[in-house]
Amino acid sequence: GDSVTQMEGPVTLSEEAFLTINCTYTATGYPSLFWYVQYPGEGLQLLLKATKADDKGSNKGFEATYRKETTSFHLEKGSVQVSDSAVYFCALSPGGYNKLIFGAGTRLAVHP
Amino acid sequence: NAGVTQTPKFRVLKTGQSMTLLCAQDMNHEYMYWYRQDPGMGLRLIHYSVGEGTTAKGEVPDGYNVSRLKKQNFLLGLESAAPSQTSVYFCASSKGTGAYEQYFGPGTRLTVT
Repeated sequence: GDSVTQMEGPVTLSEEAFLTINCTYTATGYPSLFWYVQYPGEGLQLLLKATKADDKGSNKGFEATYRKETTSFHLEKGSVQVSDSAVYFCALSPGGYNKLIFGAGTRLAVHP
Repeated sequence: NAGVTQTPKFRVLKTGQSMTLLCAQDMNHEYMYWYRQDPGMGLRLIHYSVGEGTTAKGEVPDGYNVSRLKKQNFLLGLESAAPSQTSVYFCASSKGTGAYEQYFGPGTRLTVT
């Protein structure tokens, strides 16, 4: 069945460091791909998305490119801030279905 | 505009007790969802609804029931709570499926002793 695999955390970085969180997926058809972020004590909120191959989603300095050939959707940011500390979830929505399939989440901690 | 709200925020139950979690959204969304979040497992879909009066099973429906009597509300019930149902429960809503964003509530932390 469809699934999402994320790199295990926690990821600990210093402020202004480069961030990569790896995400790969298994799906039939043409899913939409998402990154959601969960700040401490809150629900999830959409960070960015891509709906077809080679699309790049971007928001708040974060970027991810839908790579169909490698079935990947890695999250990157050039310079992280302390306020980026959160749990990041990669997710896919199978075409035409009423559900999101989430990865296990990656906790990011950014220190001054 | 409150978005998605959940009641209560915290609850402690004894094994065998029952309870209902309430989710409300003010965005006129057709689709609503209940997820549970457990450490190291991401979010898993319990039940969902594609419109008022409809419900469907998700990935982990056993031990839960749901109702969507009004478009803006989606209730999750536990008839006989078990320790395995200790989790954080999130409600979400969306305008559509596929590429549409899901909007999440703040969560309910449930402990079953």
